[in-house]
Amino acid sequence: GAGVSQTPSNKVTEKGKYVELRCDPISGHTALYWYRQSLGQGPEFLIYFQGTGAADDSGLPNDRFFAVRPEGSVSTLKIQRTERGDSAVYLCASSPEGPANYGYTFGSGTRLTVV
Amino acid sequence: AQSVSQHNHHVILSEAASLELGCNYSYGGTVNLFWYVQYPGQHLQLLLKYFSGDPLVKGIKGFEAEFIKSKFSFNLRKPSVQWSDTAEYFCAVYWGFQKLVFGTGTRLLVSP
Repeated sequence: GAGVSQTPSNKVTEKGKYVELRCDPISGHTALYWYRQSLGQGPEFLIYFQGTGAADDSGLPNDRFFAVRPEGSVSTLKIQRTERGDSAVYLCASSPEGPANYGYTFGSGTRLTVV
Repeated sequence: AQSVSQHNHHVILSEAASLELGCNYSYGGTVNLFWYVQYPGQHLQLLLKYFSGDPLVKGIKGFEAEFIKSKFSFNLRKPSVQWSDTAEYFCAVYWGFQKLVFGTGTRLLVSP
């Protein structure tokens, strides 16, 4: 597609439930990133994929968070046993390779609200 | 750990005023530097970037930024702001660890 697509745009879930957030990057972009943006904060790194593999998952806050990119294109961020503190905007970005020369192209984000 | 500081959290200006938003990063070495903008209701968009060469970088919509290596700074400037520049501005730094580190952002409000 022309840009990075994230679905759903909004998600409200109850505490303790499982959620999946989807990212469809720009076609041909091998690098894919997930960030989380809380109110009043800048984007915080969660995980980076190069192709199908997670090259850096050091930003995942705990083992309730997991992400996959099985075919090197679409990625899914999965959050188990959601907590109210997980409420944030989850951003996906892609890049032709790493960000050094291109920066990122961001999607519009998924606003997750845990009630 | 690498960090990026944006000192001004909120800035309010009148149209035609000059703008300068500060950005400092925690330590040196080779860096690539970026400014992103998020207009109300829209996604983050790249405003400008610095990789090497002339430390004064020009971006879209009349914005520019100056890289001062000795001060670990990459401040964003615009000589005359417009109401349409109302947005949140994020500085980001790439240190070569395959990810960008973002500052906390500066929310700019331009009154007509």
